[in-house]
Amino acid sequence: DAKTTQPPSMDCAEGRAANLPCNHSTISGNEYVYWYRQIHSQGPQYIIHGLKNNETNEMASLIITEDRKSSTLILPHATLRDTAVYYCIVRVAGNQFYFGTGTSLTVIP
Amino acid sequence: DTAVSQTPKYLVTQMGNDKSIKCEQNLGHDTMYWYKQDSKKFLKIMFSYNNKELIINETVPNRFSPKSPDKAHLNLHINSLELGDSAVYFCASSQAEWYGYTFGSGTRLTVV
Repeated sequence: DAKTTQPPSMDCAEGRAANLPCNHSTISGNEYVYWYRQIHSQGPQYIIHGLKNNETNEMASLIITEDRKSSTLILPHATLRDTAVYYCIVRVAGNQFYFGTGTSLTVIP
Repeated sequence: DTAVSQTPKYLVTQMGNDKSIKCEQNLGHDTMYWYKQDSKKFLKIMFSYNNKELIINETVPNRFSPKSPDKAHLNLHINSLELGDSAVYFCASSQAEWYGYTFGSGTRLTVV
């Protein structure tokens, strides 16, 4: 599975949109982009995934560039409860999830 | 109505002991996993089971032995515990190959 690069940390003001970037320049055509988050001391939580189209669910939106070499997870109105480590993972369907170091997002009141 | 439940939540034990961590999922998923998160917060897959059959074993010492009595349960037995085994262990399950995983809340193992 392709590697991903994420900034180690980000801050976001409460109520504003949090935009978390991820680079995956070596992604191949059959690899999906997944996002998880891990709130302190809890198990990772699946957020969203996509192949090439933008996706939206009740938690977030996923924007994937046309060349698929990068993506952005958008939390439209960040709350304090969104403070967590966010992991961007690229994988072929059926393979395991290999977690990197992620982005530590802090939502500031 | 917990989806993936692990017991115990905390486990403190002495070096050399044998211990087990239990995991159960009520989601009807076919595949279950064990992950280890070390002190540096790095999450690493250990085992993957599909319908009671071992699919992957990621260079884990053979002191660790997963056991799946049925597809809803995947227990982790650890023999001769060492200090380096101290970590948080997460169980997870998935429905199909393209879906995300549902994780349990973790078991914090401390070996003293």
